[in-house]
Amino acid sequence: GEDVEQSLFLSVREGDSSVINCTYTDSSSTYLYWYKQEPGAGLQLLTYIFSNMDMKQDQRLTVLLNKKDKHLSLRIADTQTGDSAIYFCAERGSGGYNKLIFGAGTRLAVHP
Amino acid sequence: DGGITQSPKYLFRKEGQNVTLSCEQNLNHDAMYWYRQDPGQGLRLIYYSQIVNDFQKGDIAEGYSVSREKKESFPLTVTSAQKNPTAFYLCASSIGALSREKLFFGSGTQLSVL
Repeated sequence: GEDVEQSLFLSVREGDSSVINCTYTDSSSTYLYWYKQEPGAGLQLLTYIFSNMDMKQDQRLTVLLNKKDKHLSLRIADTQTGDSAIYFCAERGSGGYNKLIFGAGTRLAVHP
Repeated sequence: DGGITQSPKYLFRKEGQNVTLSCEQNLNHDAMYWYRQDPGQGLRLIYYSQIVNDFQKGDIAEGYSVSREKKESFPLTVTSAQKNPTAFYLCASSIGALSREKLFFGSGTQLSVL
């Protein structure tokens, strides 16, 4: 079935790069997403990548997609304390409607 | 400003009680969704609606009900049949229900059992 897996926790020092990894199972996924959730808030779409792309860069964010290994990563350059949040990877599920399959989320902690 | 409004932010339910969570959007989106979030788990889809007066069960619909009488509104009722209702509930919307549409989320409602 469809499944998305992420490590649950990542700790980095302020100013370093963060890399959050995700693996997914549905090879037919057309879009893959990264959402950010701050404490007590809803999810905010950070970026997404279409399945025919290998990489997408948006300011401090770089998304890498390895379709062969079904591996997606999000790199945050120059990580700041404001980047502390939970990051969710999501893939587009099958089923003919707008269904997203979410991972459990990676909690990013940024320390001085 | 356009967006999705969920209310209340915190809600408490007594044993055997039904409670209703509100979700309103002024984005003119056709599709709306309810997700449940539990600690350490991904979001799970409860119900979705692709258009007014139509809705479909998601992966964990048991113990929940919805209505979609207006385009802007998609309330979720947590019934007494839902034995483990404590969770963070997120409402979302998208322009349509096609696979390329991005989801926009509300700020969530935390439901707890007294």
